[in-house]
Amino acid sequence: EAQVTQNPRYLITVTGKKLTVTCSQNMNHEYMSWYRQDPGLGLRQIYYSMNVEVTDKGDVPEGYKVSRKEKRNFPLILESPSPNQTSLYFCASRTAGGVYGYTFGSGTRLTVV
Amino acid sequence: TQLLEQSPQFLSIQEGENLTVYCNSSSVFSSLQWYRQEPGEGPVLLVTVVTGGEVKKLKRLTFQFGDARKDSSLHITAAQPGDTGLYLCAGASDKLIFGTGTRLQVFP
Repeated sequence: EAQVTQNPRYLITVTGKKLTVTCSQNMNHEYMSWYRQDPGLGLRQIYYSMNVEVTDKGDVPEGYKVSRKEKRNFPLILESPSPNQTSLYFCASRTAGGVYGYTFGSGTRLTVV
Repeated sequence: TQLLEQSPQFLSIQEGENLTVYCNSSSVFSSLQWYRQEPGEGPVLLVTVVTGGEVKKLKRLTFQFGDARKDSSLHITAAQPGDTGLYLCAGASDKLIFGTGTRLQVFP
């Protein structure tokens, strides 16, 4: 089944404790992206990657890092999480070309206390 | 800054009613996508419209892209409880911009 898999689904952590949210897709998509979804603010792009070893900042990149060492994986790293990073995070992928829609993962609900 | 405003924000209707959701912007997009998101899940792509004036139908859902490619509408005929969810439009230019969302609830 074609899908984007995120782990974990739920995570509660403490301020300053480094964490990684994994994302993997099995559709051979070139383009991958991370979004956060907050009430009243909608979906905002954190980082994106157009292909292996090519990453760029989205609209809200502060406090996040990403890497794209393999085509299928695009982990999101929070080096020193803070409470304002409490959010619902989505990884998404699509094939190259702007008209193609995203396939989204099921989301990771992160709480930073 | 490109913005995509959706209206209404919330919609609560009875099964069998018709409804229209609007997605408006002052910017021109090369294409526009509609997604539905259910609680606890990621958005799922419903349709992509590319040509100004284009109309696409997906069973009881009709999607239209404005002639100037700045706006779009989603019309649902005879809504059912299974249509309940958050509907998101997303416009593509140099990047994908998501709309503010319309939360639809259909009561039996």
